[in-house]
Order: sequence, then structure tokens, then C-alpha cells
Amino acid sequence: EPEVTQTPSHQVTQMGQEVILRCVPISNHLYFYWYRQILGQKVEFLVSFYNNEISEKSEIFDDQFSVERPDGSNFTLKIRSTKLEDSAMYFCASNRQGEDGYTFGSGTRLTVV
Amino acid sequence: GQSLEQPSEVTAVEGAIVQINCTYQTSGFYGLSWYQQHDGGAPTFLSYNALDGLEETGRFSSFLSRSDSYGYLLLQELQMKDSASYFCAVRAYSSASKIIFGSGTRLSIRP
Repeated sequence: EPEVTQTPSHQVTQMGQEVILRCVPISNHLYFYWYRQILGQKVEFLVSFYNNEISEKSEIFDDQFSVERPDGSNFTLKIRSTKLEDSAMYFCASNRQGEDGYTFGSGTRLTVV
Repeated sequence: GQSLEQPSEVTAVEGAIVQINCTYQTSGFYGLSWYQQHDGGAPTFLSYNALDGLEETGRFSSFLSRSDSYGYLLLQELQMKDSASYFCAVRAYSSASKIIFGSGTRLSIRP
């Protein structure tokens, strides 16, 4: 079964450093998303992306965050200057037009120290 | 904005039936979804209700009542592997490019 692939599975970084989280969505999907989940809390929306541009972003997705689809397969989330409160599990998701459910990747656990 | 409320924890016995409720406040939405998440895992799509009524998928059923701003997920013949967190989610008319998750219900199954 097709799956969304995320790398790395775990990233430890120092406060103030830049990180790039990588995702390979399912190949025939056109809509891409990033969500995050702080340990024990609910899944929070960060950004949605379609046709090479951001469709919608949340208040969390401030100027420190950016997304990019550098080629036909990868979808990345960059955090320019990480803060301690950015520590969370980051999930990438994708779906097709008209599809009700999202397919989520297995996530990247980001730890900022 | 949208808000979806769920009980934080539910405990049930293996083999039994359990219902996980979701009450919401949103001005209008396309449908109500349910996701399962095991500890350390990714959310996995379970079901979707666009219309009022019951949708059945194997041991899992989901119900929606727009007039009552209420939905639920029903799990039958509970198995130990059903121990997980369950989230309801909506895609609102006002922000159709995303789904918003509820607070989540942690389901614990005991033998």
C-alpha cells in the first residue's frame, strides 16, 4: 500500500539552529500538509500546500517556518531558528482531490535542546 | 472558528462495545472524520460521515447528527490492539484546505 515517507525519524537540534524535515507524499496525491503534535496533546494544523503554493497556514506557522516542494517528489518543512517550544512530533500528510481522509507519514520527532 | 470536544479517556473490556463521543462547534463543515493513533504512531484514517446517520466499516461504525452538533465512533468486539487514541476531525467550509482535530480520546482496553 502506498505510504507517506518522512525523514529523519528523530532529529535533535540546538536552540537557534535551522532544521529541515523531509517528506515524500504519495505519488498521485496533489494536496500536502504539515501537522505537529506536542507530546500528549492533539494534532495541530500547520500548513496546507497545493499547486506549488501555500493554501492555508495556522498562527503557529510564523515567519520562522517555510515549506517547499523542491522537485516532483519531496515536500519539506524548514524551521529557521528553532525554539525549545518547537519540540514536537511533526507529521506530513497528503491526499487526492475529493478524497475524504488524509494519509499521514510516521512522523519526525524534533527535540530542541 | 471550530472546536471539537471529546472525553479525554475511556476504559472498556475486551470483547465489549464502546462509544467515543465528539461534540463540535463550527459554522458549517463538509463532514466528520475519525482517526486512530497508537502511541508513537501516525494518525490513521478510520471513517468519514458527510451525511447524518451511521456509516459502518467492519467492527467500527461512525455516526453524525448535524442538528445535534454531535457524532460518535462505535467500536464493537473490542480487541487489545484497539487501545489507542481516537480523534474526530472536521473540514470547515470557512477553511476548506485543512482538517481540524478534536482533543482526542485515549481508549484503554482491559482483559
